[in-house]
Amino acid sequence: DGGITQSPKYLFRKEGQNVTLSCEQNLNHDAMYWYRQDPGQGLRLIYYSQIVNDFQKGDIAEGYSVSREKKESFPLTVTSAQKNPTAFYLCASRTPGRVGHNEQFFGPGTRLTVL
Amino acid sequence: GDSVTQMEGPVTLSEEAFLTINCTYTATGYPSLFWYVQYPGEGLQLLLKATKADDKGSNKGFEATYRKETTSFHLEKGSVQVSDSAVYFCALSDPWGSTGTASKLTFGTGTRLQVTL
Repeated sequence: DGGITQSPKYLFRKEGQNVTLSCEQNLNHDAMYWYRQDPGQGLRLIYYSQIVNDFQKGDIAEGYSVSREKKESFPLTVTSAQKNPTAFYLCASRTPGRVGHNEQFFGPGTRLTVL
Repeated sequence: GDSVTQMEGPVTLSEEAFLTINCTYTATGYPSLFWYVQYPGEGLQLLLKATKADDKGSNKGFEATYRKETTSFHLEKGSVQVSDSAVYFCALSDPWGSTGTASKLTFGTGTRLQVTL
């Protein structure tokens, strides 16, 4: 079955440590996205990538970094510079076709808790 | 910039009641509109979409009509079930936006629906 996988589902880290969240897709989608979700809020875009070896900052990129070395993979690193990293992180990829008319598919999410 | 406004929740209904969740938007061009659903502890799933004015998206008994004149995309269902309890997000994608924004989704804050027996 095609889809998006994120691992781990739950992640605990000590304050000041960097942590990397995994996102893999086998849908053959070019574009991938990382969102952050906080309780009672909508999704906010962290980074996105429209093609391999290229990515752009979203609305809240400070304290995060990404790489896109393979089409299937778009890992997100939450660095110690992120002031409030505890949140639910969602990865998505976008179906090919006319940009703006095509939907995004989401992974199951990773809940990060910084102690 | 683009924005989406949803009615605040939670919305609490009895099973078989009629559901409406309001969604209005602001966009520079002619956006596509989406409804996503999120069950507890999970990612988002696309529920339905509409890509041009007067289009009606429908899925699993849910419907929404793209109303350009009122810039709205309200979600409706004639008879809700307990299994519909979830958070519902309205979102837009503006293909006519400025460079780089065409691939982005702008989300509302979500509306929690609770359906009781």
